[in-house]
Amino acid sequence: DVVLTQTPSILSATIGQSVSISCRSSQSLLDSDGNTYLYWFLQRPGQSPQRLIYLVSNLGSGVPNRFSGSGSGTDFTLKISGVEAEDLGVYYCMQATHAPPTFGGGTKLELK
Amino acid sequence: QVTLKESGPGILQPSQTLSLTCTFSGFSLSTYGMGVGWIRQPSGKGLEWLANIWWDDDKYYNPSLKNRLTISKDTSNNQAFLKITNVDTADTATYYCARNYGGYGAYWGQGTLVTVSS
Repeated sequence: DVVLTQTPSILSATIGQSVSISCRSSQSLLDSDGNTYLYWFLQRPGQSPQRLIYLVSNLGSGVPNRFSGSGSGTDFTLKISGVEAEDLGVYYCMQATHAPPTFGGGTKLELK
Repeated sequence: QVTLKESGPGILQPSQTLSLTCTFSGFSLSTYGMGVGWIRQPSGKGLEWLANIWWDDDKYYNPSLKNRLTISKDTSNNQAFLKITNVDTADTATYYCARNYGGYGAYWGQGTLVTVSS
């Protein structure tokens, strides 16, 4: 299985601060069809995961544009430009290029 | 409006079979390219993708549990199902279903907590 390693595991931030989360894959996530099936999800406390980003850098429906995704191959980054209180929770990257789909271990974003 | 809702037994005993239902609205599993997946999350831990079923009845199972999983659908009643045989305490988790269409996981249910205990 593809292993996704997220860093850091815990991220402390103040409101308005810009932060980044890294997701590193054990294999290239570039599919033979030319797409890279890398997603980012946010799970707020007590809630289901919410998809933020699909195909590395595409913003999900209704997701604020302070979220952005970038990367290629094996290295990917989620950036939040100006953390807001509603952004607190656990962030997961996920790949679906290689079966089975796998998730990173999560990054908990908390208030400093 | 797309919604999904999971239902299950709540609690069951080791060695029993877990039966889960995902009831959805706002889309049809007969639509070309549509799929529903099952994902689980032990309390305080990460996410594990279990199985997918697609509009054409194609199925995918996570190899780590493949021999124990069966996914199916009832298109007419907008439902998807997952069975896990021979459960043990390691199967205690919140189980989610999610829609896969134009990518994975744009919509998730609220989850249903399943506890395996004797």
